[in-house]
Amino acid sequence: QAQLVESGGGVVQPGRSLRLSCAASGFTFSSFGMHWVRQAPGKGLEWVAVISNDGSNQFYADSVKGRFTISRDNSKNTLYLQMNSVGADDTAVYYCAKDVGQGYRMEGVVLWGQGTLVTASS
Amino acid sequence: QSVLTQPPSVSAAPGQKVTISCSGSSSNIENNYVSWYQQFPGTAPQLLIYDNSKRPSGIPDRFSGSKSGTSATLGITGLQTGDEADYYCGTWDSSLNAGVFGGGTKLTVL
Repeated sequence: QAQLVESGGGVVQPGRSLRLSCAASGFTFSSFGMHWVRQAPGKGLEWVAVISNDGSNQFYADSVKGRFTISRDNSKNTLYLQMNSVGADDTAVYYCAKDVGQGYRMEGVVLWGQGTLVTASS
Repeated sequence: QSVLTQPPSVSAAPGQKVTISCSGSSSNIENNYVSWYQQFPGTAPQLLIYDNSKRPSGIPDRFSGSKSGTSATLGITGLQTGDEADYYCGTWDSSLNAGVFGGGTKLTVL
């Protein structure tokens, strides 16, 4: 069955970098837009970034623009999130998620990973 | 503050119907698809409604979605204690060029 498995989370010192990965299986990865969504402890959902199915379009939340980069390798069925200059406000569970459509306009996030916790702390 | 506005909490008795509102603007809800999510503590969200009113396979027809202008509504009928969860609306914002979620609504089934 369709599945998303995130990895790469952990404790990172403020100002340092971290790369999250998300391995997709059970569906045609190259046919769908993919998102990163995060949730700070005790808070609501925050959309982070999206990439279209072919990687030609990427968009970011203002809170991460210029620091985070979303990318994908359709040959490896893998989604990435490069996080640079990580700060305390980036502490959250990060979910990799699949859209129902191939584009970037968030029609509906139909499949979610289990989430990976990123903690910015010295 | 979230771009999309939801009531912080709603409540109703078992078997009753409840609606959760999501208010936005012409740059998001009015001109883009709305989706709704259910989240239990400690778990990933689950898609309930996409493209304003469509239900993914496996979602019971007790859950419904509608949209009118700059607002959207999630309806839940035949409430069960197992429906107690947080509910979020989401959409695309064409001005921000970003996805947006509402602040979430906590449903209590009394």
